[in-house]
Amino acid sequence: GENVEQHPSTLSVQEGDSAVIKCTYSDSASNYFPWYKQELGKRPQLIIDIRSNVGEKKDQRIAVTLNKTAKHFSLHITETQPEDSAVYFCAASYRDDKIIFGKGTRLHILP
Amino acid sequence: SQTIHQWPATLVQPVGSPLSLECTVEGTSNPNLYWYRQAAGRGLQLLFYSVGIGQISSEVPQNLSASRPQDRQFILSSKKLLLSDSGFYLCAWCTGSGNTIYFGEGSWLTVV
Repeated sequence: GENVEQHPSTLSVQEGDSAVIKCTYSDSASNYFPWYKQELGKRPQLIIDIRSNVGEKKDQRIAVTLNKTAKHFSLHITETQPEDSAVYFCAASYRDDKIIFGKGTRLHILP
Repeated sequence: SQTIHQWPATLVQPVGSPLSLECTVEGTSNPNLYWYRQAAGRGLQLLFYSVGIGQISSEVPQNLSASRPQDRQFILSSKKLLLSDSGFYLCAWCTGSGNTIYFGEGSWLTVV
């Protein structure tokens, strides 16, 4: 069935180090993969997205990579800062306009 | 520009009482509309989505229902709430498959 697996569920990294969050999806027809950041008590906000016709996209300290063959995509945050602490969600679009989210990764940036 | 409004922001309801959450989108036409639920500290669970007026797809069989009486209005309802219905409910919209999804500010529901 339609599913998005996200790992790890919790991630702690030292300030200034890099963080990587990985997701896999189940439908080879999926063509859109957004990433959202959610701060405590607030709505998720889009931080970056990628479509199936590209393999990598970068926006300042944030990058996303997509491997269509493996049905796998990843979020990379470099030079992490305290304000990067939040919950991050990956998502994949499925047939019939469904958008399915992973279970989230709680990222802690350690001083 | 497009905006999404969702209300109420917070509500406390007794078990067995009804529920109505409302969401409207402005500045666009024929949007895809979604209802998600987020239990405390958990992921985003897709409850319902709609690609047009009167078209509702249900993802989770439960005591909730959704309706789309107008193009840009999406309503989440229940006749009798359960304790397990507590959570953060998020309405969302996008212009179509493969486009950015935008969330409303959310509704905190506590069932007591």
